Amino acid sequence: AQKVTQAQTEISVVEKEDVTLDCVYETRDTTYYLFWYKQPPSGELVFLIRRNSFDEQNEISGRYSWNFQKSTSSFNFTITASQVVDSAVYFCALNPGAGSYQLTFGKGTKLSVIP
Amino acid sequence: KAGVTQTPRYLIKTRGQQVTLSCSPISGHRSVSWYQQTPGQGLQFLFEYFSETQRNKGNFPGRFSGRQFSNSRSEMNVSTLELGDSALYLCASSLDSSGAEAFFGQGTRLTVV
Repeated sequence: AQKVTQAQTEISVVEKEDVTLDCVYETRDTTYYLFWYKQPPSGELVFLIRRNSFDEQNEISGRYSWNFQKSTSSFNFTITASQVVDSAVYFCALNPGAGSYQLTFGKGTKLSVIP
Repeated sequence: KAGVTQTPRYLIKTRGQQVTLSCSPISGHRSVSWYQQTPGQGLQFLFEYFSETQRNKGNFPGRFSGRQFSNSRSEMNVSTLELGDSALYLCASSLDSSGAEAFFGQGTRLTVV
């Protein structure tokens, strides 16, 4: 069975602060995929990043960075110099691969960036 | 390139009625998935279709059904609506490769009264 845990329900930061969103996952599969999505108030889930289980290289994209550690089953997401536009709900998700097209989502972390 | 389009955006239905939601995937995407989002349960997988065939199904009662057409457009149907079916229903499309990123529509907000 797959499980994704986002322990932080809500986070508030002041603009320009850095913030890290935690994600811990459980799976018995050796091949799997991890994702982060952003959900602004409009409701649409916006794809941010995908990682497969064989690629533990951390990634930086502009103000966003991701830290994938298989040893701790974590896939954390950091926003550097946060902006008001970053305010949204962020979801971590797991796809077990092997022909599955089903995403298992965490409960989400609501990020509020205060000006 | 157009994104995933869901219609209608909002619906209000009465208990016992049935409802049909529509989803048009990104051009070239043949896999379409449906998710239900509620404050209590979060995002839950309903089912996934590819080439007009249901490949995966989540843990939902038989009142929830879907189908996919030859042009990859998909519909989901909920019969005998219950108050607990009030939710945001999200459709996602992806390429047919395991682990491919899914692109979501803006969803249909269903309210059952």
